[in-house]
Amino acid sequence: DAGVIQSPRHEVTEMGQEVTLRCKPISGHDYLFWYRQTMMRGLELLIYFNNNVPIDDSGMPEDRFSAKMPNASFSTLKIQPSEPRDSAVYFCASSPGTGGYGYTFGSGTRLTVV
Amino acid sequence: KQEVTQIPAALSVPEGENLVLNCSFTDSAIYNLQWFRQDPGKGLTSLLLIQSSQREQTSGRLNASLDKSSGRSTLYIAASQPGDSATYLCAAVGSSASKIIFGSGTRLSIRP
Repeated sequence: DAGVIQSPRHEVTEMGQEVTLRCKPISGHDYLFWYRQTMMRGLELLIYFNNNVPIDDSGMPEDRFSAKMPNASFSTLKIQPSEPRDSAVYFCASSPGTGGYGYTFGSGTRLTVV
Repeated sequence: KQEVTQIPAALSVPEGENLVLNCSFTDSAIYNLQWFRQDPGKGLTSLLLIQSSQREQTSGRLNASLDKSSGRSTLYIAASQPGDSATYLCAAVGSSASKIIFGSGTRLSIRP
């Protein structure tokens, strides 16, 4: 397996634009997590899915953020409209079950909003 | 609400030294605790996982301990090497076993 695949690796966009980040989890992993990492706040859990269903989105900062998982092999995190304070590295991770076992991270998308 | 803290934020030691990284968590009702490594520009890689019923785990030169009563975990690295330079994050899985809460990490630099 190629691991968790995220795209794009880097994204630079202007304030106010819509940004879509993509993630392909490991096949057979039932859980998918979206994290945001910044120097100030470290690694924050935004939302996670179980079998394509959002379970906990309490970490989503604002209504400008939305996430979907239309099928077991694809998820998106959308920011609309984007703001400079959204600049961060966004990670996707997947796991076969609960408890943190087999937790696998993607390489992340570095988002810069200017 | 679980909070995970790592001190210091950065550490620099000469090659060959043994060192300890510290992690503390506020809610002792954890399912397990993990230590991850993050290299610059990369995602996180799991190093060691300690079940709540365990006291320690070892992998090669790494040893992680867990003391739930005091809300502390340590990662011991023996005979450090320049290749160990990275950011090390600890993460606690809550009793519901669903969410992982990460510390902010310790950035480790091993001087040749």
